[in-house]
Amino acid sequence: NAGVTQTPKFRVLKTGQSMTLLCAQDMNHEYMYWYRQDPGMGLRLIHYSVGEGTTAKGEVPDGYNVSRLKKQNFLLGLESAAPSQTSVYFCASGGQTYEQYFGPGTRLTVT
Amino acid sequence: AQSVSQHNHHVILSEAASLELGCNYSYGGTVNLFWYVQYPGQHLQLLLKYFSGDPLVKGIKGFEAEFIKSKFSFNLRKPSVQWSDTAEYFCAVTPYSSASKIIFGSGTRLSIRP
Repeated sequence: NAGVTQTPKFRVLKTGQSMTLLCAQDMNHEYMYWYRQDPGMGLRLIHYSVGEGTTAKGEVPDGYNVSRLKKQNFLLGLESAAPSQTSVYFCASGGQTYEQYFGPGTRLTVT
Repeated sequence: AQSVSQHNHHVILSEAASLELGCNYSYGGTVNLFWYVQYPGQHLQLLLKYFSGDPLVKGIKGFEAEFIKSKFSFNLRKPSVQWSDTAEYFCAVTPYSSASKIIFGSGTRLSIRP
């Protein structure tokens, strides 16, 4: 099992550019999450999904969109990147046991 | 609103010292509690969890945590730390029976001097 994978691992964007981060899990989990991690602020939930075809806003959803067209994939989109979105992005998945399994992260820099 | 506080931002210890990292949460109902660890350059991994039952929970690598309901606390402990415990530690809380809403603390960076 690969667990949770994320692509890409690193990305540099210019302000105003768009991009999509892909998260994939092979554990048949219902729940999937996108977080951002910033120094001194821990992890903040951006969006999450409780099943295929569903999405919901987390703590810091502005500037991001998500889609869960397939159970195993959860996409995070930035339509118009801003320097404030420079961060490390983690995807996680989980089942009814509530514990979450995290991906390796994507380091995004917006200049 | 639900929140999690980790008051120690950076803890520095020598090898073999005992460790206690604080975690307090604010939520009026029943909760599930977690500690995650993030080793340098790696992703978060589950260290231990509490759902119900014995409030003293044992996790991997010799870590344990005690849930004290009256204090809304879930402190992480280890009797004797090793250099390999250098990492960032995150406490997390989710309302009981709700896997869709989890709040993480801001993290405690633990540095172990060899």
